[in-house]
Amino acid sequence: GNSVTQMEGPVTLSEEAFLTINCTYTATGYPSLFWYVQYPGEGLQLLLKATKADDKGSNKGFEATYRKETTSFHLEKGSVQVSDSAVYFCALSGSGGSNYKLTFGKGTLLTVNP
Amino acid sequence: GAGVSQTPSNKVTEKGKYVELRCDPISGHTALYWYRQSLGQGPEFLIYFQGTGAADDSGLPNDRFFAVRPEGSVSTLKIQRTERGDSAVYLCASSLSPRLAGGLKSEQFFGPGTRLTVL
Repeated sequence: GNSVTQMEGPVTLSEEAFLTINCTYTATGYPSLFWYVQYPGEGLQLLLKATKADDKGSNKGFEATYRKETTSFHLEKGSVQVSDSAVYFCALSGSGGSNYKLTFGKGTLLTVNP
Repeated sequence: GAGVSQTPSNKVTEKGKYVELRCDPISGHTALYWYRQSLGQGPEFLIYFQGTGAADDSGLPNDRFFAVRPEGSVSTLKIQRTERGDSAVYLCASSLSPRLAGGLKSEQFFGPGTRLTVL
């Protein structure tokens, strides 16, 4: 079945540091890939997505590129801010009839210090 | 407009009791999903409704879990004879029907969750 493996946390960075959170996946066919973010006390929000190989998703300075050859979708940001402190989840939805079903990684807690 | 809302935000119950968790989706969203997030884990799919019917309940862990959506809007997740292992955050999400979105995968909007603790 489908699975997502993401970098174990927690990750602690200083403001303006470079961020990478690794994510790899196992899936049949051509899944869509997502990064969700959960800010303290809030629900999960979609951060960015990519629906086919070599697509780059981007939002709020975050980027991730769908790499089919390495089955990866690593999240990056060039300069993090304190307000980026949150839990980040990598996820996929399968192709075909069950494309509504999201499979999530375990989440990575990011803390950014001023 | 209003997002997905879930009530209660917290529920503490005793082993063996029955609980109901409620989800109010975004108005106009015909698809509704329940996920369960155990401590230190990502959310896991439980059930998907398209309108009033459960299109996929393959994620429900056993027959103690049941969900309904009688009028195609509000949904209730029901858990009978609760066990300590049922303790988790139960998340609800809603989306436009993928069919209405022209076959494109439709973004799921999540509620804040209900934290269930079974003592």
